[in-house]
Amino acid sequence: LAKTTQPISMDSYEGQEVNITCSHNNIATNDYITWYQQFPSQGPRFIIQGYKTKVTNEVASLFIPADRKSSTLSLPRVSLSDTAVYYCLVGDSGAGSYQLTFGKGTKLSVIP
Amino acid sequence: SQTIHQWPATLVQPVGSPLSLECTVEGTSNPNLYWYRQAAGRGLQLLFYSVGIGQISSEVPQNLSASRPQDRQFILSSKKLLLSDSGFYLCAWSGGLHTDTQYFGPGTRLTVL
Repeated sequence: LAKTTQPISMDSYEGQEVNITCSHNNIATNDYITWYQQFPSQGPRFIIQGYKTKVTNEVASLFIPADRKSSTLSLPRVSLSDTAVYYCLVGDSGAGSYQLTFGKGTKLSVIP
Repeated sequence: SQTIHQWPATLVQPVGSPLSLECTVEGTSNPNLYWYRQAAGRGLQLLFYSVGIGQISSEVPQNLSASRPQDRQFILSSKKLLLSDSGFYLCAWSGGLHTDTQYFGPGTRLTVL
């Protein structure tokens, strides 16, 4: 499984756009990139998943460069409720084991 | 829609006592099931996963075990709890042949004293 590296913490003011970058230099051809959000004492919640280029949903955007060795989660106009830990994961579902490895994530603190 | 349940929500147990945590999924068939543990201030550690009834894969050696007696039921057990077993236990499921999105339950907070 590819290892990921992301900042331990980030601070942002309300209303700003937040970009969290994740490095995954050893990503394999079949790997997808997935981001989860976790609030204290809750299970992680799926945010967005992508393979290449750009993916956008109602919550966030995911930017993946051509070499796929990194990805950036973009949260538009964050609010206090976006304060959480964000995990970047790289995994291969085609192998049949469906394993994902969660690192320590990035703790985002939104400041009023 | 699919839902995942875990119980109990919180549990305080003495060292050396047994453990049984239960996870059930509704609204889907033949899900892949997972048990994770999260120690305070740390990331999630995958403990077990299952791709079918009676099929359990262990990721880390420990005094915990898992069983899947029914398609949508996943149980985490221990014969004798250790202090180091304290943590937040999360069950998750995923479905479909070409997706690795996992959906997590509400979790069980276990404190071993």
